[in-house]
Amino acid sequence: DGGITQSPKYLFRKEGQNVTLSCEQNLNHDAMYWYRQDPGQGLRLIYYSQIVNDFQKGDIAEGYSVSREKKESFPLTVTSAQKNPTAFYLCASSKSVWSPNEQFFGPGTRLTVL
Amino acid sequence: QQQVKQSPQSLIVQKGGISIINCAYENTAFDYFPWYQQFPGKGPALLIAIRPDVSEKKEGRFTISFNKSAKQFSLHIMDSQPGDSATYFCAAGELEETSGSRLTFGEGTQLTVNP
Repeated sequence: DGGITQSPKYLFRKEGQNVTLSCEQNLNHDAMYWYRQDPGQGLRLIYYSQIVNDFQKGDIAEGYSVSREKKESFPLTVTSAQKNPTAFYLCASSKSVWSPNEQFFGPGTRLTVL
Repeated sequence: QQQVKQSPQSLIVQKGGISIINCAYENTAFDYFPWYQQFPGKGPALLIAIRPDVSEKKEGRFTISFNKSAKQFSLHIMDSQPGDSATYFCAAGELEETSGSRLTFGEGTQLTVNP
């Protein structure tokens, strides 16, 4: 059963704490993406990765960090420097970042800062 | 800076009616225009997509109309059904020389189809 998995589904964090969101894909896709979704604002790109050991900042990268040590994994860390981290976080992947291919999305992680 | 403007924010349609969602863009470098459908608590899924070399694309009850000169595109859902109730996002993609292709999303339209 191919697809993208994100964990956990719900995550609660205290202010000042870093937290890491997991994203795994078994689609053999080269490109992976992280988006943030807030009500009425659509999806905004945080980071994306073209290939293992390489990644690019998106539109709202401040306060976030990523790594791409394996093709199938692209974890996102929400740091204490992110001023308003409460949101729905979506991970996606596509065959390649070099052509406009369909992006497949995971089920998302809802992060709430207490 | 919002490069893709989507309207309306919400839409209520009767079963069997036509749902129309509009998007406008500014960046003429965009060359890929997908629509995504998202159900509550789920990730978006690709519904239909179009390239700027055609003016219309139809897949079942879903049609994209594209107007390159006006920099606008729209989604038409014919014979709307209650199961179509979801949030719909338009997006636009551009291929950048060094960093590859990325999508810019509209703000989303929450569609409700009443039985």
